Amino acid sequence: ETGVTQSPTHLIKTRGQQVTLRCSSQSGHNTVSWYQQALGQGPQFIFQYYREEENGRGNFPPRFSGLQFPNYSSELNVNALELDDSALYLCASSLVGGADTQYFGPGTRLTVL
Amino acid sequence: QQPVQSPQAVILREGEDAVINCSSSKALYSVHWYRQKHGEAPVFLMILLKGGEQKGHEKISASFNEKKQQSSLYLTASQLSYSGTYFCGTESLLTSGTYKYIFGTGTRLKVLA
Repeated sequence: ETGVTQSPTHLIKTRGQQVTLRCSSQSGHNTVSWYQQALGQGPQFIFQYYREEENGRGNFPPRFSGLQFPNYSSELNVNALELDDSALYLCASSLVGGADTQYFGPGTRLTVL
Repeated sequence: QQPVQSPQAVILREGEDAVINCSSSKALYSVHWYRQKHGEAPVFLMILLKGGEQKGHEKISASFNEKKQQSSLYLTASQLSYSGTYFCGTESLLTSGTYKYIFGTGTRLKVLA
C-alpha cells in the first residue's frame, strides 16, 4: 500500500464525453504526476503538478488538463473523449518536484465506447 | 527518446539470475526502476542518481553508467514473486525548465517454479 488512492476504479464513457479522474496523494507529498497506460504498453507521462502549478507536460493535447488542490489532491480532466483514450490512468505522488521517487495509486481503468 | 530496454522478455527458473538493461540516446541524470505486476500499479524498486553508482536491496541491485547512458538491473536467485514487467524511468529536461518523465520500453520477466 502506497497511501495513494484513486477514484473511480473503473469508468465507461462514450466518445465525445468528458471525464474527471481523482487522486489523493500520500500524506506529506506535494507533487503529483499523471500517466496513461494503454494495454501492453508502458506508462506515458501526461503532466506533473507541484504546489498547484503544472511543472512538466508530456505529448498530450490540451483536452487533457489537470488541477492540484491546496490539500495536494488532484484531478485529471479529459474532454472530447476518443476511443484511443481507453487506458489505465495512474497518478503518482512524490515528496518534492522533479524526478523524485514516485508512489503510484492503483489506477482508474477508463473505457471509451 | 524513450529508453530502450533489453531483453524484451525473459523466462527464468526459480533461483536463476537475470540482467535487464536500459539504454538511452539522451543524457541520463537519474534512473528509476519499477516492477509492475499484471493489473497492478508500478512499484518503485530503486533510484540511481550518479554515474557509476550501484544500489541494491536484498537480491535486486542496479548500476548506472552515466557516460554510457545506460543502467542495468540485476536479479539474483530469482523468486516467483519477481515475475512482472520491469520498467526503467528517467526525466527529460525541457527548455521551459520543467521536465517530462519517460518510462522505458519494458521487460517482461516470468519466473517458473
